[in-house]
Amino acid sequence: KQEVTQIPAALSVPEGENLVLNCSFTDSAIYNLQWFRQDPGKGLTSLLLIQSSQREQTSGRLNASLDKSSGRSTLYIAASQPGDSATYLCAVRGQNFVFGPGTRLSVLP
Amino acid sequence: GAVVSQHPSWVICKSGTSVKIECRSLDFQATTMFWYRQFPKQSLMLMATSNEGSKATYEQGVEKDKFLINHASLTLSTLTVTSAHPEDSSFYICSARGTGVLNQPQHFGDGTRLSIL
Repeated sequence: KQEVTQIPAALSVPEGENLVLNCSFTDSAIYNLQWFRQDPGKGLTSLLLIQSSQREQTSGRLNASLDKSSGRSTLYIAASQPGDSATYLCAVRGQNFVFGPGTRLSVLP
Repeated sequence: GAVVSQHPSWVICKSGTSVKIECRSLDFQATTMFWYRQFPKQSLMLMATSNEGSKATYEQGVEKDKFLINHASLTLSTLTVTSAHPEDSSFYICSARGTGVLNQPQHFGDGTRLSIL
């Protein structure tokens, strides 16, 4: 059974800092991995999708990497802004779509 | 981009009533739709997977007679919470995946906040 964990559970940084969020999964037999953000009480916004054959994806200030063999992915956020404050979820697509518990990010102005 | 519309966004009703939530893919055909539930400060938990024209597959621990899922067309899936009780209060989110290979991204609705009094 696939298990997904995320570290840290919560993170608070001053504006402008670069930061890294971590995601680990136990079963490397995946089709892809997605990073999402969720604002309080809202649905999900897809940020980046990495296929199992890819190593990384970039979108603006976001860069996500995937090391399938070790079961790890990182989401790098450059020059963080208060608007980046949200919960960040990673999810892996194998037989099912399994979410991690999320990292709650607060970027302080 | 692909859009998934979920309705209603918020519903409050009395204990014992049934509530239907709709999930529509607006600009693509969704062979497969997924229903998730999220309790406060917890991650999303998959409830069931529905494929158009066939019965839904429920995750372990999810009562199929209580959470009725219908996926009658390639653009619409519905979740009906029957005889809802306060413990069913939660945030329900649907997602849809287009036709084709399994590694396509899933597109999510904005969720439905269900409060049972």
